[in-house]
Amino acid sequence: GAGVSQSPSNKVTEKGKDVELRCDPISGHTALYWYRQSLGQGLEFLIYFQGNSAPDKSGLPSDRFSAERTGGSVSTLTIQRTQQEDSAVYLCASSTIKGAPNYGYTFGSGTRLTVV
Amino acid sequence: AQSVSQHNHHVILSEAASLELGCNYSYGGTVNLFWYVQYPGQHLQLLLKYFSGDPLVKGIKGFEAEFIKSKFSFNLRKPSVQWSDTAEYFCAVNKNQAGTALIFGKGTTLSVSS
Repeated sequence: GAGVSQSPSNKVTEKGKDVELRCDPISGHTALYWYRQSLGQGLEFLIYFQGNSAPDKSGLPSDRFSAERTGGSVSTLTIQRTQQEDSAVYLCASSTIKGAPNYGYTFGSGTRLTVV
Repeated sequence: AQSVSQHNHHVILSEAASLELGCNYSYGGTVNLFWYVQYPGQHLQLLLKYFSGDPLVKGIKGFEAEFIKSKFSFNLRKPSVQWSDTAEYFCAVNKNQAGTALIFGKGTTLSVSS
């Protein structure tokens, strides 16, 4: 596609429920990143995919968080048993040339998750 | 671990004033440096980046940044701001290794009054 697409754009869920957030990167981009943006906290790195594998998942805050990527394209971030502190905007970004470090990322518009 | 510090949390300027936003990073090796901007209601966009060569880099909309290796800094500048520059600005850094994730600062909110 022309840009990075994320869905849903907004999600309100009850505490304790599971949620799935979807990211559709730019076609042909092999590198995919998930970040979490909280007010006043900037962007917090969660996980990096190269193709379908995740060489760096060091940013996932707990075992309630997991992510997968299939077909070298779409990625899903799953949060189990959501807590109020999970409320944030979840951003996905993709990059080309196998994640070459001097290429910038293209970001999606994010999913705003609110846990009530 | 790498970290990025943006010293100004909120900057308020009048139109035509000059802008300088500070950014310092902690990593002793070779790095790539970026500034991203997020306009109200929009997604993050790349303003400019440095990875080698001339340490003074120019980006979109009249922005520039200077990499000073000895100071571990990559400050963003614009000689004359406009109301439309009102946005949140993020500095980011990564190691010069394939696949390494960008580490972002906490952001600086710029408010420009007309």
